[in-house]
Amino acid sequence: AQTVTQSQPEMSVQEAETVTLSCTYDTSENNYYLFWYKQPPSRQMILVIRQEAYKQQNATENRFSVNFQKAAKSFSLKISDSQLGDTAMYFCAATGANSKLTFGKGITLSVRP
Amino acid sequence: EPEVTQTPSHQVTQMGQEVILRCVPISNHLYFYWYRQILGQKVEFLVSFYNNEISEKSEIFDDQFSVERPDGSNFTLKIRSTKLEDSAMYFCASGGRETQYFGPGTRLLVL
Repeated sequence: AQTVTQSQPEMSVQEAETVTLSCTYDTSENNYYLFWYKQPPSRQMILVIRQEAYKQQNATENRFSVNFQKAAKSFSLKISDSQLGDTAMYFCAATGANSKLTFGKGITLSVRP
Repeated sequence: EPEVTQTPSHQVTQMGQEVILRCVPISNHLYFYWYRQILGQKVEFLVSFYNNEISEKSEIFDDQFSVERPDGSNFTLKIRSTKLEDSAMYFCASGGRETQYFGPGTRLLVL
């Protein structure tokens, strides 16, 4: 079984600044995938970024990047140049051999103008 | 860009009634999923579906729940006799272990 832990319930950042959202996970599998999903007030689940566990290189998608520390089982999301539209709930998630997503509790990010 | 669609967007029903939530997954995807999110809580896995059968289900997915792929495009979740605690956002997703794309969700309210 996999577990995903997001211990920060909320964070706030000034527009244009950088913010890092933390996530740790636990799994007994060697081959797994990690994700960050964004959930704005509309409650749509939007895939932000994904990381393949067997790839050492950290994934990046425009202003979004991850810091994947496999030994520490840590998977944080860095948002650069924060924009007002980044205000949302962010969920860390993982899949393994069984393909179901296991989610963390989420973190509420507020971007201040 | 292909996307997962879900209908209806909102559903209000009386306790004990049956509801069917509908999803159209992305056409070339092979794995389909249902998740739910009770307001203010995390997203929980309900069931996964592959090759016209359930591949895995959670403890939440009891005998009151069923899934079906009645034709080549639709994927449905049926709740036979709804309870108050079934009130939640229900998400359909398609893809696989490498990537899953979510539909916009159906907000179910059981009165």
